[in-house]
Amino acid sequence: NAGVTQTPKFQVLKTGQSMTLQCAQDMNHEYMSWYRQDPGMGLRLIHYSVGAGITDQGEVPNGYNVSRSTTEDFPLRLLSAAPSQTSVYFCASSQGSSGANVLTFGAGSRLTVL
Amino acid sequence: SQQGEEDPQALSIQEGENATMNCSYKTSINNLQWYRQNSGRGLVHLILIRSNEREKHSGRLRVTLDTSKKSSSLLITASRAADTASYFCATGLSNDYKLSFGAGTTVTVRA
Repeated sequence: NAGVTQTPKFQVLKTGQSMTLQCAQDMNHEYMSWYRQDPGMGLRLIHYSVGAGITDQGEVPNGYNVSRSTTEDFPLRLLSAAPSQTSVYFCASSQGSSGANVLTFGAGSRLTVL
Repeated sequence: SQQGEEDPQALSIQEGENATMNCSYKTSINNLQWYRQNSGRGLVHLILIRSNEREKHSGRLRVTLDTSKKSSSLLITASRAADTASYFCATGLSNDYKLSFGAGTTVTVRA
């Protein structure tokens, strides 16, 4: 099993450009989420989904869009990139048990916005 | 805002020594988890402890939870070079899928 696959691994954007970070999992997990990791700040939740067709905002959703048309895929869209969005982005999924949600993480996507 | 805060921020130990790190959190939780992150990689789940548990073991890992003090500790015994990583605590609430992560403790094990 591949687990959680993120693409691309690295990306450089100019301010104002848009792009999509892809996330796919092959474990039939219901719950999927996106975090960003910045030095000294740990991981902050951007958006999450508890199943196909259902998405919700996390702690830092501004500037990002998500959709969940299938169980397997959960893309994160940056609408108009800003230098403040320079970060490492992680997608994570789980079987989805509220109260005991153990996450499987992807390897991360490092984004630089110039 | 972050729920958990790890202490210390960084820790350097000799191979074979024990490493202890702590996590404090602010609100009542349903469970607390510890994750490891090797440099440049994603996080890997280590252990989960529920709010009605006080101690849990997994191999060389020992986790304690004190809900009255809203704190947890992770002990790694007989450390190895491969334990060099960042360690994060994450808290989960009842009836909520979301996990809230702390900023992590960076552990360096010297050979």
